[in-house]
Amino acid sequence: AQSVTQPDIHITVSEGASLELRCNYSYGATPYLFWYVQSPGQGLQLLLKYFSGDTLVQGIKGFEAEFKRSQSSFNLRKPSVHWSDAAEYFCAVGARGYQKVTFGTGTKLQVIP
Amino acid sequence: DTAVSQTPKYLVTQMGNDKSIKCEQNLGHDTMYWYKQDSKKFLKIMFSYNNKELIINETVPNRFSPKSPDKAHLNLHINSLELGDSAVYFCASSQVAGEKLFFGSGTQLSVL
Repeated sequence: AQSVTQPDIHITVSEGASLELRCNYSYGATPYLFWYVQSPGQGLQLLLKYFSGDTLVQGIKGFEAEFKRSQSSFNLRKPSVHWSDAAEYFCAVGARGYQKVTFGTGTKLQVIP
Repeated sequence: DTAVSQTPKYLVTQMGNDKSIKCEQNLGHDTMYWYKQDSKKFLKIMFSYNNKELIINETVPNRFSPKSPDKAHLNLHINSLELGDSAVYFCASSQVAGEKLFFGSGTQLSVL
């Protein structure tokens, strides 16, 4: 069975500082990996995805993530955080043609001035 | 033009009532889903449909019954509402199963 672990429930960073959100997954085959962001009162929006190829993927809003098969990780990074990045971030795992996408428990990002 | 729209946005009701949430997508996707997000933000799949056919029913109580009249619509009917049903329910769709999900803005259900 597929699973996703986001070890950090809550992270606080200063505006302008760098950010890394951790994600570990468990999946038997080659996974599809996603990062979604949820602003308060909103649905989830895709930041980036990894299906195959280059293990460093670029997303929207200046985010990037690196797939490391040996560590079963797909960590999300941003070099300089903006106050508008404060939100809940979800890592997810799926597979092409497989209906079930499994989400992690989320990491709440707080940005302080 | 909203890609995935669900109504209502808020639903407050008494225990034991029956309620429905409607979802429509205008993206031309074949696959639609219902997800439940609890108070701790945990997001769990409930159902998925592919071209009006039920594919996943993730051990959801029989009180929850999805209906897909056509591939652009997936409604959720809940009978005999219980306190534990209070949550945010998200509708989503995808072009291909397992790939990028497009989410609606959610329905916050409060059962009193």
